[in-house]
Amino acid sequence: GDSVTQMEGPVTLSEEAFLTINCTYTATGYPSLFWYVQYPGEGLQLLLKATKADDKGSNKGFEATYRKETTSFHLEKGSVQVSDSAVYFCALSDRNSGYALNFGKGTSLLVTP
Amino acid sequence: DAGVIQSPRHEVTEMGQEVTLRCKPISGHDYLFWYRQTMMRGLELLIYFNNNVPIDDSGMPEDRFSAKMPNASFSTLKIQPSEPRDSAVYFCASSFPEGLAGELFFGEGSRLTVL
Repeated sequence: GDSVTQMEGPVTLSEEAFLTINCTYTATGYPSLFWYVQYPGEGLQLLLKATKADDKGSNKGFEATYRKETTSFHLEKGSVQVSDSAVYFCALSDRNSGYALNFGKGTSLLVTP
Repeated sequence: DAGVIQSPRHEVTEMGQEVTLRCKPISGHDYLFWYRQTMMRGLELLIYFNNNVPIDDSGMPEDRFSAKMPNASFSTLKIQPSEPRDSAVYFCASSFPEGLAGELFFGEGSRLTVL
């Protein structure tokens, strides 16, 4: 079945460092891809999404490009802030599964001043 | 809109007791999802509904778990009897996928501790 694999954390970076969180997927159809973020004690919030190959999702300085040839959707940010400390989840959804999101295990990010 | 509303936010109970978690989806959303989050297993889809009808409950771990959606504005997840391994954060989410390509809106979760 469909699945998502993302790099394990925790990831610790200094403020203003460059961030990459790797995500690859396996799917039989043509899924939509998402990055969600979870701040401590809160639910998940959509960070960005891409619905077809070569689409780039972007929000709050974060970017990810839907790469069908490498089945990847890596999350990047050029300069992280302390407020970016959270858990990041890569996910995919497919019409055939009723758009239920299939999540990766999550990557914890800690940004230090 | 107030977003997806879940209650209770925290529940501590003893093994064997019945637990009922509640969810109010965003008005107009026709899909509702229940997820469970644990450190070991991450986020697992338990069940989802479309127009109040359960579509896929293959993620429900055991017969001790049941979910209902009596109307478009309310859903419950019940565990009877509860066990310590049910301790987790349970999230409800809603969406209208045709409009948003599958974006889900999550509640803040119900943290369950079974002693």
